[in-house]
Order: sequence, then C-alpha cells, then structure tokens
Amino acid sequence: EAGVAQSPRYKIIEKRQSVAFWCNPISGHATLYWYQQILGQGPKLLIQFQNNGVVDDSQLPKDRFSAERLKGVDSTLKIQPAKLEDSAVYLCASSKNRGGNTEAFFGQGTRLTVV
Amino acid sequence: DAKTTQPNSMESNEEEPVHLPCNHSTISGTDYIHWYRQLPSQGPEYVIHGLTSNVNNRMASLAIAEDRKSSTLILHRATLRDAAVYYCILRNNNDMRFGAGTRLTVKP
Repeated sequence: EAGVAQSPRYKIIEKRQSVAFWCNPISGHATLYWYQQILGQGPKLLIQFQNNGVVDDSQLPKDRFSAERLKGVDSTLKIQPAKLEDSAVYLCASSKNRGGNTEAFFGQGTRLTVV
Repeated sequence: DAKTTQPNSMESNEEEPVHLPCNHSTISGTDYIHWYRQLPSQGPEYVIHGLTSNVNNRMASLAIAEDRKSSTLILHRATLRDAAVYYCILRNNNDMRFGAGTRLTVKP
C-alpha cells in the first residue's frame, strides 16, 4: 500500500513570496490533516478535511494560509505572503475516517525555510 | 492547548523495558488514546491506540488506567531504533492534536 506522498521535500523562499505544498493521501482515505511543526515542537494542527469539506480550520492563519481539497483526494496548502516565522516542516496525514478508532498515516513532510 | 501531559524526556538502556507515562485528566468518553512516535527527519508513525482496555501489538503495549485519566506505553525491549519522540494524543471525530511529546534516549 502506497503511503502519504508530499512534495516538494524541501523549499527555500524569501519572505513575502508565495509557496504551495501538495499532498496525495492514501487511496480511499476520507480524512486529511495538515500540520505545521516548528523545530523542537510537536505538530500543530492547521486544518482537517473530511472528503472535500473542512471540519476544523480554527488554527489556520487565514490571512496568509489557505488550503483546499477540491475533489476529496489531493490537497494543497498555500502560504501567501510567507513570513520568517513560517519556517517549519509541513506534514500531511490521512486516515480512513474521522473516528477515534482509526489510525492516521503521515507523509515525510515538506521542510520550508523562509529567508 | 494539548489535552495530554508527558515528561519532556526519558532515558532507557538497550534491551530493557521502557514505560512512557501520559496524563489526560480531561479525557471524554468518546476520546481514544493514541500513541505515535517520530524519528528524526520523518513524519510521525502510528504505534498503538485504545479506548478502555489494555492493548498489545507487535510494536508495544498500552496500559490504560481504570478511570482513563492516564495511560502508559510499554516498549518491552528497547532497541537503539526506538530512540524517538513519543506523542500521546486523544483522538475523536473532530480532533487529533499533538503535545510536545517525550524524547526517548536509548543507551547501548
């Protein structure tokens, strides 16, 4: 079974530029999460999708971050414009459904450096 | 705003058992207790989960207190490859939030 795919693995941009990350979840997984992990901290949930609908985006900085999952499969996370404090690893995870009795699978993440 | 509390770090000797504690005093009836671990430069990896009863799998055992306000992840024989950050999470339909986790160091 193929895992969660993320691209790119690394990205370096200047502040005020835009950047986008892509995630392809495991086939058939209805639930998709995006996390931000700053060095030395645990992952912080940014947004949770169920199919193509948003379940929770309360911690997404909506003035600069946006995410979509138009067909309920792949997802993109965009930052526009980027700030220095956005430097982090962005992790995508998927699970069969939202229920607590299901495990989540994570991609390897995209490491973003804003200079 | 994590709902779990874990020690920042723990040490273990190779081939000895390791007990990683987690407190979750505000757990609700619909919350499952999940454990994930994160090796350097990788995404988190699922370890085990449970609701009320103790659970065993090939990686570890999960012991859940009778009142469900705490749990313990048990690695029966630690290896150097078990060195990682271990996260205890309460998962329900609408939430899967991580805390800071416990950094486990395994000494040869």
